[in-house]
Amino acid sequence: GENVEQHPSTLSVQEGDSAVIKCTYSDSASNYFPWYKQELGKRPQLIIDIRSNVGEKKDQRIAVTLNKTAKHFSLHITETQPEDSAVYFCAASMGTGYQKVTFGTGTKLQVIP
Amino acid sequence: DAGVIQSPRHEVTEMGQEVTLRCKPISGHNSLFWYRQTMMRGLELLIYFNNNVPIDDSGMPEDRFSAKMPNASFSTLKIQPSEPRDSAVYFCASSLGLAGATGGNEQFFGPGTRLTVL
Repeated sequence: GENVEQHPSTLSVQEGDSAVIKCTYSDSASNYFPWYKQELGKRPQLIIDIRSNVGEKKDQRIAVTLNKTAKHFSLHITETQPEDSAVYFCAASMGTGYQKVTFGTGTKLQVIP
Repeated sequence: DAGVIQSPRHEVTEMGQEVTLRCKPISGHNSLFWYRQTMMRGLELLIYFNNNVPIDDSGMPEDRFSAKMPNASFSTLKIQPSEPRDSAVYFCASSLGLAGATGGNEQFFGPGTRLTVL
């Protein structure tokens, strides 16, 4: 089955700096890569996703890149703010039809004011 | 829409007792997922349903765990008998439709049930 590795497990940045979280996946058939943000005590919520027919996607301060050849994808947050502090999960799913999403182990991001 | 609804939000029980967690997916969504989240193991998919039919239950840890979806608006996850190592936050999520040619669809998570087994 699919295996998703995520790094780093923790990340501290100063407010206003950028943060980058990287993930790799094992199955070249994976074609959908969502990113979820989970604030303390809350549910995971989708913040951005990318599909295999796209190399990069941006939404305001967040962007994702996908390198299908290397089987890795990354989340970039620019101009970080204290409210960006949370755990971020990458995920991958493959194929059409029934979808099974495999999550990474999460990155705890702390933005220091 | 109220989003995915889960009950109870918190459950404290003693080892050996039966526990039933409940989930109401978003109306119109036909895929439903049960996840377990712990510090040690992260977010694990236990089972998912499509059109009320269980598609993949390979993540269900043991026979003590069972899940049902009797109709499109209700699902249960049952643990019998419960053990302390079952303590975790259990999330239910739903999504719309099947994955298309370019991949899947957003999963909407419920607020979770925090289970503590003493």
